[in-house]
Amino acid sequence: GAGVSQSPRYKVAKRGQDVALRCDPISGHVSLFWYQQALGQGPEFLTYFQNEAQLDKSGLPSDRFFAERPEGSVSTLKIQRTQQEDSAVYLCASSLDLGQPEQYFGPGTRLTVT
Amino acid sequence: LAKTTQPISMDSYEGQEVNITCSHNNIATNDYITWYQQFPSQGPRFIIQGYKTKVTNEVASLFIPADRKSSTLSLPRVSLSDTAVYYCLGVQTGANNLFFGTGTRLTVIP
Repeated sequence: GAGVSQSPRYKVAKRGQDVALRCDPISGHVSLFWYQQALGQGPEFLTYFQNEAQLDKSGLPSDRFFAERPEGSVSTLKIQRTQQEDSAVYLCASSLDLGQPEQYFGPGTRLTVT
Repeated sequence: LAKTTQPISMDSYEGQEVNITCSHNNIATNDYITWYQQFPSQGPRFIIQGYKTKVTNEVASLFIPADRKSSTLSLPRVSLSDTAVYYCLGVQTGANNLFFGTGTRLTVIP
């Protein structure tokens, strides 16, 4: 079946622009996660949802980062007034339910802020 | 949260067995050892998870001694396509977010 998809795969933004990154999880997966991966580092947790509820956003680096999942399926990660330090790969993952050890990751969106 | 330590990189020739060791001295009783694999330009992929002794699946084996302070991921007869970064994670039962370190970059040489 289809895996987790993300769009766009690549995004170049000028500093100060707003960006929106989309994630389509596996159909039927209740939980959805966002991670940020800097070059040469492992992914770092940003936030997660159970259905439409955002249960943990402790990893969001600043109030410029905002995530939503209004209908409990597709999710959008929005970054306002992008800064150069926001350049990274943003990964989305989904799992059947909370507490499952296996998360299914998408290919990520590579954001470059110039 | 179990802090894990693993080698930064390893090289291996095709066809060899590769063992990647992970240290987790402060692992809690409700932590599972979980391994993910990440190829370039892809998201991580779950490989295997275990609590104690040995777990084997079609991809790898995971050995965890009785004291659970370390674990070893074993990849049998690696091929060039096994070149990837391998992450060892301590995952608390019921936890909802994963904490990755820098992982081990495995390079398989022809």
